[in-house]
Amino acid sequence: KNEVEQSPQNLTAQEGEFITINCSYSVGISALHWLQQHPGGGIVSLFMLSSGKKKHGRLIATINIQEKHSSLHITASHPRDSAVYICAPQGSGGSNYKLTFGKGTLLTVNP
Amino acid sequence: ETGVTQSPTHLIKTRGQQVTLRCSSQSGHNTVSWYQQALGQGPQFIFQYYREEENGRGNFPPRFSGLQFPNYSSELNVNALELDDSALYLCASSLGGTPGPGYTFGSGTRLTVV
Repeated sequence: KNEVEQSPQNLTAQEGEFITINCSYSVGISALHWLQQHPGGGIVSLFMLSSGKKKHGRLIATINIQEKHSSLHITASHPRDSAVYICAPQGSGGSNYKLTFGKGTLLTVNP
Repeated sequence: ETGVTQSPTHLIKTRGQQVTLRCSSQSGHNTVSWYQQALGQGPQFIFQYYREEENGRGNFPPRFSGLQFPNYSSELNVNALELDDSALYLCASSLGGTPGPGYTFGSGTRLTVV
């Protein structure tokens, strides 16, 4: 079993729809990162959270440490949101320097 | 702020050769991490440098080595290149020895080994 599981792997939505991407992990963590990767490779950090919920514009990230689960939500999705979204738990204790990445969720938002 | 810059952007090497990839960290950051991303996969952690010392390493063989310089820029060296080393190599910088708020990635170097 992979340490980080994301679902769905692929997601196609119509502009304006509410999007949810899920992430489950199996190891203890100090924090969890949500990242966005556009074609060509560049990665942008969206959120780093260790509890509760964070909001930035139309993006919301939540985490439940007890259930080892996090979600990324996009409200009022737009074609420019099309990208790969990656969940990356950060190790705890002596491994807190390391991110373990999920395979990502490819989101396509059609106009 | 200039962000994280990587060079070169693309590179083609022959199996058995050696390669050096470079990363300039974001201004104010003293920590650089390197990742390998194979096609269709998430990035895999190679190692991290903090204040010129390697302070963490993933499951990569010793032919993957690195350096960090006093200005906190970094190099990734790969010896005896293999076909499976073909990937996007990403670096990311942060402050304080761990990925933290403001963790910033470069655009990557795409290495092709033929």
